[in-house]
Amino acid sequence: DGGITQSPKYLFRKEGQNVTLSCEQNLNHDAMYWYRQDPGQGLRLIYYSQIVNDFQKGDIAEGYSVSREKKESFPLTVTSAQKNPTAFYLCASSIRARIANYGYTFGSGTRLTVV
Amino acid sequence: KQEVTQIPAALSVPEGENLVLNCSFTDSAIYNLQWFRQDPGKGLTSLLLIQSSQREQTSGRLNASLDKSSGRSTLYIAASQPGDSATYLCAVNQGGSEKLVFGKGTKLTVNP
Repeated sequence: DGGITQSPKYLFRKEGQNVTLSCEQNLNHDAMYWYRQDPGQGLRLIYYSQIVNDFQKGDIAEGYSVSREKKESFPLTVTSAQKNPTAFYLCASSIRARIANYGYTFGSGTRLTVV
Repeated sequence: KQEVTQIPAALSVPEGENLVLNCSFTDSAIYNLQWFRQDPGKGLTSLLLIQSSQREQTSGRLNASLDKSSGRSTLYIAASQPGDSATYLCAVNQGGSEKLVFGKGTKLTVNP
């Protein structure tokens, strides 16, 4: 079955540590996205990528970094510069970024907690 | 700047009731609108996608309508069941931009 796989499901980060969240899709989608979800605030876009080796900042990119070396993979690194990283992180994909006729598909999420 | 509002924030109904969830958006120049369901601690499941040229979409007991001119969409759930309990999110995609703008969701509880 085609879909998006996020791992790990739960992640704990110590102060000053960088951590990387994995997102893999086998839908052959061109575009991929990272969203952050906080209680009462809805989903906010962190980064997105339309094609391999290209990505753009979203609304809340500070303290995060991404790479897109393969079409199937879009890992998100939460750096020590992100002061409040505890949140639920969701990865999504769509067929084409500018003409997303077919909607978005989401992964099952990673819950990151600072300890 | 596009803003999406969902009313009510929470809704509790008895099993079997028909119900309507509301979504409004401030900029009518959207490409499409998508309704999602989210169970606690889980990702988003797409329910219905309405293109800007469409007025409604149906899937089983779900029917979503879109009125671009007034900036509104509704999600109608017929004969609600306890398994429908979840948070329902509305999101709009504005042509030319690469992101969905989400509402904060409506938390639905269907009581047996």
